[in-house]
Amino acid sequence: EPEVTQTPSHQVTQMGQEVILRCVPISNHLYFYWYRQILGQKVEFLVSFYNNEISEKSEIFDDQFSVERPDGSNFTLKIRSTKLEDSAMYFCASSLGGGSASREQYFGPGTRLTVT
Amino acid sequence: AQSVTQLGSHVSVSEGALVLLRCNYSSSVPPYLFWYVQYPNQGLQLLLKYTSAATLVKGINGFEAEFKKSETSFHLTKPSAHMSDAAEYFCAVSSHNAGNMLTFGGGTRLMVKP
Repeated sequence: EPEVTQTPSHQVTQMGQEVILRCVPISNHLYFYWYRQILGQKVEFLVSFYNNEISEKSEIFDDQFSVERPDGSNFTLKIRSTKLEDSAMYFCASSLGGGSASREQYFGPGTRLTVT
Repeated sequence: AQSVTQLGSHVSVSEGALVLLRCNYSSSVPPYLFWYVQYPNQGLQLLLKYTSAATLVKGINGFEAEFKKSETSFHLTKPSAHMSDAAEYFCAVSSHNAGNMLTFGGGTRLMVKP
């Protein structure tokens, strides 16, 4: 069964460093998403991406964040200068479409980012 | 704005007992509703979804949920709990006019006692 994959599973970085989290969405899906979950808190939406551009973003997704689909399979989240409060589990998701029959999102296993 | 409330951050049931996990939503337009399950050290797995068809939705692993518009609820049930059902369960909502973004509830950790 097709699945969303994410690498690395755990990333430790120092404050101020840049990190890139990588995702491979399900191959025929057209919509891609990033969410994060700070320990003990809710899963929060960051950004959605369709047709090679951001379609929605939350207040969390400020200028420190960027997303890219560098090739036909990968979808990346870059944090330019990490802060301690960026420590969280980051989930990538994809969906086939946006209509009622195809909008369910399939999630990857997550990347745990620890900023020290 | 849409929001989701899951009543009870922890629910404990005995094996074989009924499972009831509560979810209430607020949305200014008809929503799409989802339940996800997260097993330890794994990602979120879709259990079931409501997309304005039948109000009683059946999902995987024997779970089902009923959309009740008058109560703005989408509670998750399973007639008989199994040890393997122990996990964290998340209710989520998206709406027709808010794109595809999911708004999640705080999650309910289900514990199943032998």
